[in-house]
Amino acid sequence: ETGVTQTPRHLVMGMTNKKSLKCEQHLGHNAMYWYKQSAKKPLELMFVYSLEERVENNSVPSRFSPECPNSSHLFLHLHTLQPEDSALYLCASSQEGASGITDTQYFGPGTRLTVL
Amino acid sequence: AQSVAQPEDQVNVAEGNPLTVKCTYSVSGNPYLFWYVQYPNRGLQFLLKYITGDNLVKGSYGFEAEFNKSQTSFHLKKPSALVSDSALYFCAVRDEPGGSYIPTFGRGTSLIVHP
Repeated sequence: ETGVTQTPRHLVMGMTNKKSLKCEQHLGHNAMYWYKQSAKKPLELMFVYSLEERVENNSVPSRFSPECPNSSHLFLHLHTLQPEDSALYLCASSQEGASGITDTQYFGPGTRLTVL
Repeated sequence: AQSVAQPEDQVNVAEGNPLTVKCTYSVSGNPYLFWYVQYPNRGLQFLLKYITGDNLVKGSYGFEAEFNKSQTSFHLKKPSALVSDSALYFCAVRDEPGGSYIPTFGRGTSLIVHP
């Protein structure tokens, strides 16, 4: 599980705080993803950075802001979150082919976020 | 459009018995199918995938899955369950060609193996 690392593993924040989640992949992949995992709900894709292009789920609120400075690092900046944003946030990476085909995704351990 | 369904929220099985975790899919082209497992406080781990070829796919930890095109299913199976197999299992599908290049995940099925 050291292929994709995430920090912090746990985060508690108030609604007025600003924090960032960090993800790093050591697999040489060219695509990275942020997912939100809430209990009893399907895994929700939030953002994709593929070949340095960003793809986002239009239903994700603007209080979540991704940043991908290079193919190995991915951040999720958080500000003025709501209690319903409490969830497990998973980062993943994969190798995307020339035709845009996504192969197997490798996931990090996740950041358990609690918004008070 | 691509979609996947896992009809069971939870599956209970006794240790040593065979297990099946169900998955059905819907695509307009050819499906690429994946199974992932998530242990408590961990991320998802890849188990196996079907792209093309033999309908029976073998994966990690003794798991296998059978692709059935006529029933649009990709059920995960294991001949003899272990207590350590208790975890959350996710099926995912990608439609090829023409669909989203990013897989769609099911809601997950909690597998509980009783000693």
